[in-house]
Amino acid sequence: DTAVSQTPKYLVTQMGNDKSIKCEQNLGHDTMYWYKQDSKKFLKIMFSYNNKELIINETVPNRFSPKSPDKAHLNLHINSLELGDSAVYFCASSLGTGTAGANVLTFGAGSRLTVL
Amino acid sequence: KQEVTQIPAALSVPEGENLVLNCSFTDSAIYNLQWFRQDPGKGLTSLLLIQSSQREQTSGRLNASLDKSSGRSTLYIAASQPGDSATYLCAAWAGSYQLTFGKGTKLSVIP
Repeated sequence: DTAVSQTPKYLVTQMGNDKSIKCEQNLGHDTMYWYKQDSKKFLKIMFSYNNKELIINETVPNRFSPKSPDKAHLNLHINSLELGDSAVYFCASSLGTGTAGANVLTFGAGSRLTVL
Repeated sequence: KQEVTQIPAALSVPEGENLVLNCSFTDSAIYNLQWFRQDPGKGLTSLLLIQSSQREQTSGRLNASLDKSSGRSTLYIAASQPGDSATYLCAAWAGSYQLTFGKGTKLSVIP
């Protein structure tokens, strides 16, 4: 059983389109994240949700809108896609956001988005 | 704001050699530091987590150390194998509910 699963794994689309990436975790974790890995392989946090509530919203264009229907799901919707949005997007989850052990992250396999 | 730096960016060693990967962070007020492995086209696999109160953690041939006062962590890999070839990322957990990642060290172990 996959712990953190993302779909789709690959996404190729035209500039200006709207697309979504879905993420689900079956670990019973309370906290979920979206990270972006750019062409230089640098991983940077975008959003974090704890029990369906937004707790981190880094400097991300408002074309990116996360949605957490329940604590096992965190989806990422992107409007008006731009060339610079091309990257690998990783979903992750952790037991919580506290200190000891709770914040060991489990990552999904990534969704590679290519904007043409 | 926390910044994490990893040196070197790439490392190539012959099989069997012991090696050390370095990680430094600017804000010593961390809860923990984590080391991950990323294989090409794959997600991240957590290797070791060191709590801020700990000095080191060991798992098999891997040993990670943490020196908060100097803002440094090292990942020691003993008797390297070709299967160890991957990118190794360190990440520091500060107080703002997030991990800050370094850019990684790409390791190649030559048979």
